[in-house]
Amino acid sequence: EVQLVESGGGLVQPGGSLTLSCAASGFTFSSHWIHWVRQAPGKGLVWVSRINSDGRSTSYAASVKGRFTITRDNAKNTVYLQMKNLRVEDTAVYFCARLSGFFDIWGQGTMAIVSS
Amino acid sequence: NFMLTQPHSVSESPGKTVTISCTRSSGSIASTYVQWYQQRPGSAPTAVIYESDRRPSGVPDRFSGSIDSSSNSASLTISGLKTEDEADYYCQSSDFNNHAEVFGGGTELTVL
Repeated sequence: EVQLVESGGGLVQPGGSLTLSCAASGFTFSSHWIHWVRQAPGKGLVWVSRINSDGRSTSYAASVKGRFTITRDNAKNTVYLQMKNLRVEDTAVYFCARLSGFFDIWGQGTMAIVSS
Repeated sequence: NFMLTQPHSVSESPGKTVTISCTRSSGSIASTYVQWYQQRPGSAPTAVIYESDRRPSGVPDRFSGSIDSSSNSASLTISGLKTEDEADYYCQSSDFNNHAEVFGGGTELTVL
């Protein structure tokens, strides 16, 4: 089955760090760009970051640039999102999604809560 | 940078047709493809339209997409509305200048 599974969410204090993982299965992971999209409670979808197929090219939304780092390990079929200096406004469900012309495969999401 | 603006909510009766708009703030709507995603509560989004007017496998032909250069907007039309179509719908397009993706704010569709 083609799927993406996120993990690593949790509760963290403002200024803290969290690393999310996105594990892929059922397809040739190393051929696809992977994106992170987040959704704050009761709000809409917001694009966060993306990484190309070999991991050499990355891009970030202005709101997270300098604080978040996206990487991938094609041997482990996994993409990571390292989040540092977290703010209350980073509280959201974080989805990873495969790009094949459009976002055709999404994970179920993992919740990150930034609160004191 | 550009924004995609959608109506906050729309409602229509079962069996009727509804259209959701997505207006691009700057740059031509036709310059990059527009995708549409359906999201039901508690679930991940799923694509219903890609490349502005194409349907992914398994999406019924009641769903259609189009673009209108005169209003610089894209539209998602759902005909023969069913209660199961009740969901949030998001448009999305690529901002190649900034190597980013842009989502509209989402439209809540109520079928009653």
